[in-house]
Amino acid sequence: GENVEQHPSTLSVQEGDSAVIKCTYSDSASNYFPWYKQELGKRPQLIIDIRSNVGEKKDQRIAVTLNKTAKHFSLHITETQPEDSAVYFCAARLTGTASKLTFGTGTRLQVTL
Amino acid sequence: DAGVTQSPTHLIKTRGQQVTLRCSPKSGHDTVSWYQQALGQGPQFIFQYYEEEERQRGNFPDRFSGHQFPNYSSELNVNALLLGDSALYLCASSLGGRRYEQYFGPGTRLTVT
Repeated sequence: GENVEQHPSTLSVQEGDSAVIKCTYSDSASNYFPWYKQELGKRPQLIIDIRSNVGEKKDQRIAVTLNKTAKHFSLHITETQPEDSAVYFCAARLTGTASKLTFGTGTRLQVTL
Repeated sequence: DAGVTQSPTHLIKTRGQQVTLRCSPKSGHDTVSWYQQALGQGPQFIFQYYEEEERQRGNFPDRFSGHQFPNYSSELNVNALLLGDSALYLCASSLGGRRYEQYFGPGTRLTVT
């Protein structure tokens, strides 16, 4: 089955700096890669996603890049703000597996003033 | 437009007991997936329901079972509870077909003592 690895497990940045979280997946047949943000005690929220036919996608301060050859994808957050502090999860969907998502282990992002 | 809802919010059960968790999908969605999220980890896929049938299952024992109703709402049942079943149980809804986005409910926190 699919396996997703995520790094780093914790990340601390100063307000205004950029943050980058990286994930690798094992199965080249994966075709959809969402990112979720989970604040303490809250539900995971879909913040951005990318399909395998696209190399990059941007939404205001967040962007995701996908390298299918290397089987890795990354989340980029620019101009970080204290409200960006949360746990971020990457996930991958394997083609033909309905909507099953395989999640990474999460990155705890702390944005300091 | 109602989002994904789950009930109850919290639940405390004793080992060996049985529990039923409930989920109502986002308006317009017809597919429900259930995930287990242990503390400090990413969500793990339990199973998915579409058209009132289990479409896919993760690596969970038969003690975990589910159901989907004609109005697309769903139940997760866990029998013979173990201490290790203590977790946040998340329901995610999506639209079947070629839409991959999944939206999570707030979860049910299950504690087994």
